[in-house]
Amino acid sequence: GENVEQHPSTLSVQEGDSAVIKCTYSDSASNYFPWYKQELGKRPQLIIDIRSNVGEKKDQRIAVTLNKTAKHFSLHITETQPEDSAVYFCAASNRGGSYIPTFGRGTSLIVHP
Amino acid sequence: NAGVTQTPKFQVLKTGQSMTLQCAQDMNHNSMYWYRQDPGMGLRLIYYSASEGTTDKGEVPNGYNVSRLNKREFSLRLESAAPSQTSVYFCASSIRDRGPNTGELFFGEGSRLTVL
Repeated sequence: GENVEQHPSTLSVQEGDSAVIKCTYSDSASNYFPWYKQELGKRPQLIIDIRSNVGEKKDQRIAVTLNKTAKHFSLHITETQPEDSAVYFCAASNRGGSYIPTFGRGTSLIVHP
Repeated sequence: NAGVTQTPKFQVLKTGQSMTLQCAQDMNHNSMYWYRQDPGMGLRLIYYSASEGTTDKGEVPNGYNVSRLNKREFSLRLESAAPSQTSVYFCASSIRDRGPNTGELFFGEGSRLTVL
């Protein structure tokens, strides 16, 4: 089955800095890579996703990059703000197959004002 | 449009007691999932139902059973609760077709279960 590794487990930055979270996956059949944000005490919610036919996708201050050859993908947050503080999960799934996402263990991002 | 609704939000059980977590979605999604979340372990899949009438084991199914009652409802049962089942449980649903939104999970608010 799929195995998703996520690093770092904790990331502490100053407001205005950039933050990068990296994930690797093992199943070459995976073709859908979502990122979820979970604020303290809340449910995870999708913030951005990327499909395997593109290498990068941006949405305002967040971007995701994908390297299918190396089987890794990353979340980039620029100009971080205190409200970006949360746990971020990456996931990988095969949209043509089981569709079942496998999650990384999460990264706790702390943005200091 | 409530999305995914889970009950109860909090529950305390004694070892050996049984209980059922209820989940319902009103988005006409065909796939539903139960995850557990433990500190440092991420979201681990317990069971899923790809479509009405089918259920399958996920990564950590031991000690749990599920029922896909109809397209809207997917329940999780603990027959004999153990302290190791203390966790936050999330129900989720998704569309499963060839459309552009396939794959996104919509989560419920979570159910915090403590087993003493």
